[in-house]
Parts: sequence; C-alpha cells; structure tokens
Amino acid sequence: EVQLLESGGGLVEPGGGSLRLSCAASGFTFSSYSMSWVRQAPGKGLEWVSLINESGGNRFYADSVKGRFTISRDNSKNTLYLQMNSLRAEDTAIYYCAKMLLTGPLDYWGQGTLVTVSS
Amino acid sequence: DIVMTQSPDSLAVSLGERATITCKSSQSVLYSSNNKNYLAWYQQKPGQPPKLLIYWASTRESGVPDRFSGSGSGTDFTLTISSLQAEDVAVYYCQQYYSTLHTFGQGTKLEIK
Repeated sequence: EVQLLESGGGLVEPGGGSLRLSCAASGFTFSSYSMSWVRQAPGKGLEWVSLINESGGNRFYADSVKGRFTISRDNSKNTLYLQMNSLRAEDTAIYYCAKMLLTGPLDYWGQGTLVTVSS
Repeated sequence: DIVMTQSPDSLAVSLGERATITCKSSQSVLYSSNNKNYLAWYQQKPGQPPKLLIYWASTRESGVPDRFSGSGSGTDFTLTISSLQAEDVAVYYCQQYYSTLHTFGQGTKLEIK
C-alpha cells in the first residue's frame, strides 16, 4: 500500500523564518517516480508548488516560491523534502506531497502538513 | 505559465442528474508527438487530500466509477458525472502537466440541489 507521510509543519514568524518539510514514502519504489509538492491555503484552491524528477537532477518551481523554496530527495531514505526560506504570510497553507504517475498526474497524496506564517 | 480556468465556480445538481464542469487552458496542452492531452481531473472532499479521477483528459484512474468521464482536446475540456450521487459532493479541479509548471484550475464546488 502506497503511503506518504508529511511532517515538519508548524508556526513560524514572517520575514525570514524557515521550515523544512519532509515526506516519508513507502509501498512503492520511491527512486522510480517523480514527486511533487502542492499547497492549499485555508479555504482556497490547490496551488502546485514544485516537482523533482526520479534522480533529483531536474527541479521546477512555481513563480510564487522560486528562489525561496528548494525541493530535494534522498532516495536511500525514501524521503522527499521542501526547504522553505524567507517565509511570508501568504505561504500559510496545508502542504501536500504527492507521487507522480507517468509524466504528471498525481496518483497518491499524503494527508498534508500545516504551515502557518504569522507573528 | 499556462492558466487554467474552470467554470462554473459552483454548481448545484439534483441527484441522478448530469453534472458538467468545464476547464479551459490559456494554451494548448495537446502534445503533437503522441497526440495526448496533458490534462487531469481531481476530486477533493472536505478534510481530505485530492483524489485523481482522470488523466490524459479521458483515462479514468483505476477504481473510479464509470459515471465519471472526461473529454476535450487542445484548450477545452469537460468533466461529466452522468448520474450524480450523494457521495460526489466535492470540489473538482483540473490540472495541466504539459508545461514544467503544473498549474491547477481554481476549482468547482459541486453540491446537491
């Protein structure tokens, strides 16, 4: 059974705060699949954040987070990461990690971890 | 970036009736080399993560009831629920994965009339 378990969310102050999210994967060959992060602000729609290919050699970011967030993975630990720096109030959201099927659709999602950026 | 626009923003349909949601992309998501539309549909119920329903615009994910169908090509797409059931109350999203930035539509809230 595929499982994705996010962790690392919490409360951080705006204007310089950082957080590192993790997503522990199991039930599939992690190193064979691209992975994504998607976020959802409270009461709002889905926003695609970032993706990383199987090897970690290709990474892409939404314009809203480019230069502040870094996606990475450790295939030996079956874990996906999202390093978030220079956090802003508008980064407040539930952050989901998701497994990519083929070249893009997201076929498995975690339950999400809440990031709150507030003073 | 490719902008995805869904309509309507909300929709109320009677049980057993057809529900139709449309999604329009700001540029074509049809890849000519394989003739595939890089378009997916998701369902999200309150308090849950999204669930993949359809990809390649019309391929149902395993386990998805056949009352859900997707159609369209290029820039215009449709998600149809042929006979609405109570458990279909949710927010539905389209997503393009043609470009390297995989953008979502704003979502359509589906309710029972």
